Amino acid sequence: DAGITQSPRHKVTETGTPVTLRCHQTENHRYMYWYRQDPGHGLRLIHYSYGVKDTDKGEVSDGYSVSRSKTEDFLLTLESATSSQTSVYFCAIRTGTGSYNEQFFGPGTRLTVL
Amino acid sequence: KNEVEQSPQNLTAQEGEFITINCSYSVGISALHWLQQHPGGGIVSLFMLSSGKKKHGRLIATINIQEKHSSLHITASHPRDSAVYICAGDNTDKLIFGTGTRLQVFP
Repeated sequence: DAGITQSPRHKVTETGTPVTLRCHQTENHRYMYWYRQDPGHGLRLIHYSYGVKDTDKGEVSDGYSVSRSKTEDFLLTLESATSSQTSVYFCAIRTGTGSYNEQFFGPGTRLTVL
Repeated sequence: KNEVEQSPQNLTAQEGEFITINCSYSVGISALHWLQQHPGGGIVSLFMLSSGKKKHGRLIATINIQEKHSSLHITASHPRDSAVYICAGDNTDKLIFGTGTRLQVFP
C-alpha cells in the first residue's frame, strides 16, 4: 500500500459545511493526487501536488482546494460542501521518476453531503 | 470521445473461462497502467507497461504502441477475479483513466 492512509474513512456532513480530507504518506514521494470516483465517470483528478507548496488543478477542481505544507501530507478541502460532492475520494502517490512510475492508492474516503 | 476507452463495460463469465478486456487510447502516453478494484475495496495496481507483454500469475497484459491498444487477459478465471478493471494512460504527471470494466465470474 506504499504507506498511504486517508482520514477520515467515512464522513457524513451537511450542505454548506467545510470539510477537510487528509492524505498521509510515509515514503516521501514527491507526487500526490486527489481523485473522486463516481458511478459512470470512473476516476477523475481533482488536484495534484508535485512538491511542498506546489499544486495544480485537475479536471474537476471547482469547489475544491488543496494544501501541502509538508511532504507527507496532502489536504483536500471542500470550503462549502454541496450534494454534488458526495463521492468516494481517493488519494494516490506516484513512485519513480521519468517515464517509469507507478501510482499507489489510499483506501478511500466515502463522503456523503446531505 | 474519451481519451482512454475500455471495452466491454460489463462482462460476465463462467469460472474457468479465458477473459479479455480491451483498452484503446488516443493520446500520447509513456506507459499504460492496469488497475483492479474489488467491490467496496481499494484500488490496486496490477501492471504498468510501456511495450510488449507482462505476466503475473493468471494475468497477462499486452500493449501495441503503434495501434495504441492494450489488452488484459485472465486465464482460468475464478470468482475471486470479480472486480472492476481500469486502464489508465500515463501522460506526463497524470493518469488518464478509462471508465472501467466490471467483471463478474460465476462458479
